[in-house]
Amino acid sequence: KNQVEQSPQSLIILEGKNCTLQCNYTVSPFSNLRWYKQDTGRGPVSLTIMTFSENTKSNGRYTATLDADTKQSSLHITASQLSDSASYICVVSAMNTGFQKLVFGTGTRLLVSP
Amino acid sequence: EAQVTQNPRYLITVTGKKLTVTCSQNMNHEYMSWYRQDPGLGLRQIYYSMNVEVTDKGDVPEGYKVSRKEKRNFPLILESPSPNQTSLYFCASREQTGGTRGQYFGPGTRLTVL
Repeated sequence: KNQVEQSPQSLIILEGKNCTLQCNYTVSPFSNLRWYKQDTGRGPVSLTIMTFSENTKSNGRYTATLDADTKQSSLHITASQLSDSASYICVVSAMNTGFQKLVFGTGTRLLVSP
Repeated sequence: EAQVTQNPRYLITVTGKKLTVTCSQNMNHEYMSWYRQDPGLGLRQIYYSMNVEVTDKGDVPEGYKVSRKEKRNFPLILESPSPNQTSLYFCASREQTGGTRGQYFGPGTRLTVL
């Protein structure tokens, strides 16, 4: 069964600190993995996309890693800011007969405290 | 500005009263989709459309209808809403192949069915 599991469910960190969010998946055949940021009351916004051959990708203070062998990804946030408070959703794409099927994780809710 | 718009943003209705949530995108995307988001369950796909006049069921289609008569519009119809359809709804669009930006999500519609 295609599944995406994220941990932790929620996290509180102090402003300026770093944190790492985890995503484990059992999706096949794997096409790509995306991290989305969802601010409260808004739609998710794409942060990064990673394909099978990519290990690391950065977008400003966000760095995503992918280990396709262990089917794990992480999102590292450096020098957190209050505006980083949001839910972070891991989405894995399975490509089947030319059609892309998305499998969503339930998200990690991050609160950055002053 | 590239965007997905939804209307209304907030809606309170009563059981059995038909309603439509509109969705429109200005990016000429072929693929559009509707999701519902419930606490602890993440985003679940209701229906999707690969192009005009082409729609298909997602993971939770019961109680919903959609239509795709024009490329830019993808309305979600609840013929006889029930309280278990109280949720946060998101419309999304993307290029057929997924592209580099992934899906663009609308701002969400918070629906309460009494």
